[in-house]
This record gives sequence, C-alpha cells and structure tokens, in this order.
Amino acid sequence: GAGVSQTPSNKVTEKGKYVELRCDPISGHTALYWYRQSLGQGPEFLIYFQGTGAADDSGLPNDRFFAVRPEGSVSTLKIQRTERGDSAVYLCASSLSGGLDTGELFFGEGSRLTVL
Amino acid sequence: KNEVEQSPQNLTAQEGEFITINCSYSVGISALHWLQQHPGGGIVSLFMLSSGKKKHGRLIATINIQEKHSSLHITASHPRDSAVYICDLRSILMRFGAGTRLTVKP
Repeated sequence: GAGVSQTPSNKVTEKGKYVELRCDPISGHTALYWYRQSLGQGPEFLIYFQGTGAADDSGLPNDRFFAVRPEGSVSTLKIQRTERGDSAVYLCASSLSGGLDTGELFFGEGSRLTVL
Repeated sequence: KNEVEQSPQNLTAQEGEFITINCSYSVGISALHWLQQHPGGGIVSLFMLSSGKKKHGRLIATINIQEKHSSLHITASHPRDSAVYICDLRSILMRFGAGTRLTVKP
C-alpha cells in the first residue's frame, strides 16, 4: 500500500485477554518501529526491527509484550494477559533504512487499545 | 532527569505570531527529528537534523549538537499549525519529548 497500515484501528478487550496488533509498513522499508502513546503524552518507544530481527527491544515494558516480523515486512505486536494500564494508542512507523541516521519516518494511524 | 525535555508544554498564539518550540536533551545523538501530530492523531515527520538549520516553508528548525538543543520556529503562524510538536531523538536509545501542544487562534 501507499502508507503504513495498522489494524485494527480500534480494539476493546477485557482485562486478562490476549491481543494482537498488526502493522504493514511501506513496501521496501527495512526499518519498523513500534511505539505506545498514552493520552496527553508523547510516544514511548517499544521496539525497533531492522529486517526480521529486533535490533532494539529495550522499550518493551515487560514480558507480556512481544513483537515479531518473520518475513521482514508485516509485524505483529502481541500483548498477553492485558491490563488496564496497557490502554493506549499503539503506533507503528517505518523508514527506508534504519540505524542511527535513519531517514524520514512514516507513521501509521495507530491502533487504539482499550482494556476494560 | 528526563533525557528529552521540551518547552513549553502548551502554547497559545494569535494568528500571525512567530512561534518557537525548544527541545533540550542529555544523551548523545546523531540526528533529531521534529514530528507534528494533528488532533486526529496522525504523525508526520517535519525535519530530520544532524547539524545547522533547515527551512521548509514557514517552518525553520535548528540544532546545536554541542549544546544539546534544538528549536522549531514557525513564522506567520496559522490556525492550521495547531498540533502537538514532538522532538524525536535518533540515538542508540530512541527517545521522544513529551510534546508541545500549540494552539493558534484566528
């Protein structure tokens, strides 16, 4: 597609449930980022993929969060045993290349997760 | 101490005013991005800076790597500039500022 696509756009779940959020980056972009943004706050870095591998997962808050990118394109962020504090907008971004001097970031519209 | 601090947190201006948003950071970086997030939530990248100054239309961004400081300026502000402006550090650890919420009144 022309831009970064995230699905679902909205997800409401109950505490304790498992959730998957999907990100389809711009074709050819090797770098993919996941962020979380709570209301009124700036984005919080979660994990960064360069190709299929997680180059930096230091932002994942705990072991309930996991992300994969098995073929170097689509990525899935997985949250186990969701908690109310996980409610946020989960943003995905991609760029043509990664690394310290990465180029322009292109963001998806985000997936709004609400845990009841 | 936060690694990235933006100021002001909130800014209200009248249409036509010159606006400055600041970003100070404490980590070594190779580049810094300024992002714009509109009320609907979409984020767009405005600038990537590694040194000096860049200009795009009414927007000007500067960075001083030695002083660990960057500024985003908007000349002749317009209500459509109302958004949250976020400073994004490109370093080994990726960090964002909390954002500056700008409201430009007609």
